[in-house]
Amino acid sequence: DVVLTQTPPTLSATIGQSVSISCRSSQSLLHSNGNTYLHWLLQRPGQSPQLLIYLVSRLESGVPNRFSGSGSGTDFTLKISGVEAEDLGVYYCVQGTHAPDTFGAGTKLELK
Amino acid sequence: AVQLVESGGGLVQPKESLKISCAASGFTFSNAAMYWVRQAPGKGLEWVARIRTKPNNYATYYADSVKGRFTISRDDSKSMVYLQMDNLKTEDTAMYYCTAQLRGWGQGVMVTVSS
Repeated sequence: DVVLTQTPPTLSATIGQSVSISCRSSQSLLHSNGNTYLHWLLQRPGQSPQLLIYLVSRLESGVPNRFSGSGSGTDFTLKISGVEAEDLGVYYCVQGTHAPDTFGAGTKLELK
Repeated sequence: AVQLVESGGGLVQPKESLKISCAASGFTFSNAAMYWVRQAPGKGLEWVARIRTKPNNYATYYADSVKGRFTISRDDSKSMVYLQMDNLKTEDTAMYYCTAQLRGWGQGVMVTVSS
């Protein structure tokens, strides 16, 4: 199975600070159809997860544009340009290129 | 808006069975791959199963940890997706979420396996 390694496991930030989360895959996530099925989710405390970014860099409808995704192959990054209080929670990368789908272990974003 | 409502969770003993359900609305259900994802208490997300659409022959995929014990199914006429869980183990204790291609998520249903 594909292993997704997220770093750091915990991130402390102040409001307005820009932060990045890394997600590295144990194998390339480029599908034979040309798509890369790497997505980012946010789970706020006590809530269900929500989709932020899909297919590496596409912003889900309704998600603020301070969130951005980048990367290719095995290395991917989620960036938040100016953290807001509502961004606190656990961020997960997830891949759907290789069955079974797998999640990263998560990165917890806390307020400093 | 996408709405997903899970039901059927509860407390069961090891080796018993349980079937949980998810009612979908607000989108074209028959066009969406459906997933079950679980989260053990205090832990991260774990993908459990996926079922594709009719044009993809309703293909199913399972995590190794549940393969041979869990069965995902769907009823497009009712906009429902199900997870039949057999031979349950204590390590299956988790909140189970239904999701439509990761875009919409239910509130989750708790399954507790304990003697």
